[in-house]
Amino acid sequence: DVKVTQSSRYLVKRTGEKVFLECVQDMDHENMFWYRQDPGLGLRLIYFSYDVKMKEKGDIPEGYSVSREKKERFSLILESASTNQTSMYLCASNGYTDTQYFGPGTRLTVL
Amino acid sequence: EDQVTQSPEALRLQEGESSSLNCSYTVSGLRGLFWYRQDPGKGPEFLFTLYSAGEEKEKERLKATLTKKESFLHITAPKPEDSATYLCAAIRTTNDMRFGAGTRLTVKP
Repeated sequence: DVKVTQSSRYLVKRTGEKVFLECVQDMDHENMFWYRQDPGLGLRLIYFSYDVKMKEKGDIPEGYSVSREKKERFSLILESASTNQTSMYLCASNGYTDTQYFGPGTRLTVL
Repeated sequence: EDQVTQSPEALRLQEGESSSLNCSYTVSGLRGLFWYRQDPGKGPEFLFTLYSAGEEKEKERLKATLTKKESFLHITAPKPEDSATYLCAAIRTTNDMRFGAGTRLTVKP
């Protein structure tokens, strides 16, 4: 079974703090994704990575950056957290098929 | 603009009362249509992929169908454990998966 893990289930940060969210997958997948999920808006793609050190912006990259130094690990960075970044963050990965497998999510609250 | 719309937003059923969830899409060059189940506070769990109009897939009490404009998730004789949010998503390319906002299903015993 594919396993995608995320470093924290719940996180509370202050405005202006730098926040790191980490995601690890154990299936040697090439592609990894970061989404945010907000009520009524569905999942929106923040960033996508198709290989180590390779990334593409998604629909809402503003205020975020990413890092992929190893194939199994994809990090999302909030350089200076703001209250409008309070959300559920979901990491996903896929390999040779289009099916994306998701982690459990990190619920981030920015105060 | 590519769009995926799910209806209804919320659905309450009695145990055993069959129904259908709708996912309509306007996505040019559709490559596949996905259904996921999401329990509160958790990540989406993959259910089905449909690739061409007329295709059907089944798993226990769930059956997904696809036409050129929409997909349905039919739930037959649901049980309380089927309560969850069901998401559909349409994909054009590897990094272009568009999600609907979901249908929140509640099944009462």
